[in-house]
Formats: sequence, structure tokens, C-alpha cells
Amino acid sequence: GIQVEQSPPDLILQEGANSTLRCNFSDSVNNLQWFHQNPWGQLINLFYIPSGTKQNGRLSATTVATERYSLLYISSSQTTDSGVYFCAGGGSQGNLIFGKGTKLSVKP
Amino acid sequence: GAVVSQHPSRVICKSGTSVKIECRSLDFQATTMFWYRQFPKQSLMLMATSNEGSKATYEQGVEKDKFLINHASLTLSTLTVTSAHPEDSSFYICSARGPLASTGELFFGEGSRLTVL
Repeated sequence: GIQVEQSPPDLILQEGANSTLRCNFSDSVNNLQWFHQNPWGQLINLFYIPSGTKQNGRLSATTVATERYSLLYISSSQTTDSGVYFCAGGGSQGNLIFGKGTKLSVKP
Repeated sequence: GAVVSQHPSRVICKSGTSVKIECRSLDFQATTMFWYRQFPKQSLMLMATSNEGSKATYEQGVEKDKFLINHASLTLSTLTVTSAHPEDSSFYICSARGPLASTGELFFGEGSRLTVL
């Protein structure tokens, strides 16, 4: 099956800093999503981005499908951005296969 | 649109009892729902694919007799953890594909945290 690799596994930032999270896939995927998991466990859907670039406020994402990777950009980070960020790619049954996540800590 | 809701959000039960978790698509119909499990500080792992009107498909290593899945309607799938034991304590999350057939975007419920004493 598809392998999803996220980097870095942990990231500590000072408030106001920018960051880039990366997701690599072992094979082509038709679907790709980025999530933020809050401290209560809820998955917040950030982007559905199988290809191209999208922006939503301070967040943006780019997927280069031909090279099997996706990037999530966080600009001017805030303490509320802390949490775990997951990327997930489409499996053969329409399900998503998740990476191990990037744990982000934003310090005031 | 595309809201998926789970209930209960938290449940504590005694070892040996059964627990039912509901997953509902509130504003759309979902012929397929996916159940995931997440242990502390780990990623989400697919447990099973729930298909309306037919038997669920389980991932390798997931006991189908222990994790009973029923998808009796287009808006409701249930996961029953039978004879729960402490090692079943976990965060269970369901998801469904949204109403737009042209995309594969999945929408997730709030999750259900199970603690077995």
C-alpha cells in the first residue's frame, strides 16, 4: 500500500515565525488532505489538495502530484496553531492513509 | 455542508461490557464510511470500511467479531466494541466522503474516546 512520510516529526517555533511541513508519498494519490488535530483530538480539515496550490488565511498548501509530495505553509504562526498536523493520501478503497504527523509547538 | 457527527464523544466502561459508537452524516447521504482508530501519540489507522446495506470490510489484524460495524442507513454507521478490554481504550474516528461525487474529500466526525477500566 501507499506509504506516507511526513517531516519534520517535531517542530518548535517562536510566535510570528513561518514554517513549512512536508509530506511525501510512495506512489501517486488521487486524493490528498491536510488536517490539524487539536488538543481534544478533533481533526480540522485544512485543505483538500490533490494538486495545485490553495490558500486560506495564513495557511497555504501546494501539491506537486507528478513528484508525489505536498507542502503546508504556515505564516506568522500563533500559539493556537500548536498541535499535530497530518497529511493523508487516497487509498485504493477511497479511504485516506495517514502519515505519522508533525507535532508543532508555537511558543509565545 | 458535509457534517459528520459522532456520539458519544467520551465513554468509560468496565472491562467485559460492550460499547456502541454512532457516526452520522447530518446533511448528506454516505454509502461508504470509514472507521479509524488512534492510540495516544500515534497516527490514525484504518480499521474498516463500512458499506450501506452490506458487510463491512476489515483491515488486516482487526477482529471483525470484536468490532461490529452496522451501516443500516445512508446516514448512520455504528461501531460496537464487544467485550471491551483495557487494550481497546483508544480514540475512534469515523469519516465519510462528502456529497460531491466529483471529489474524494473525506469529512471526519469529532471522534469518540473510549476508556475501558
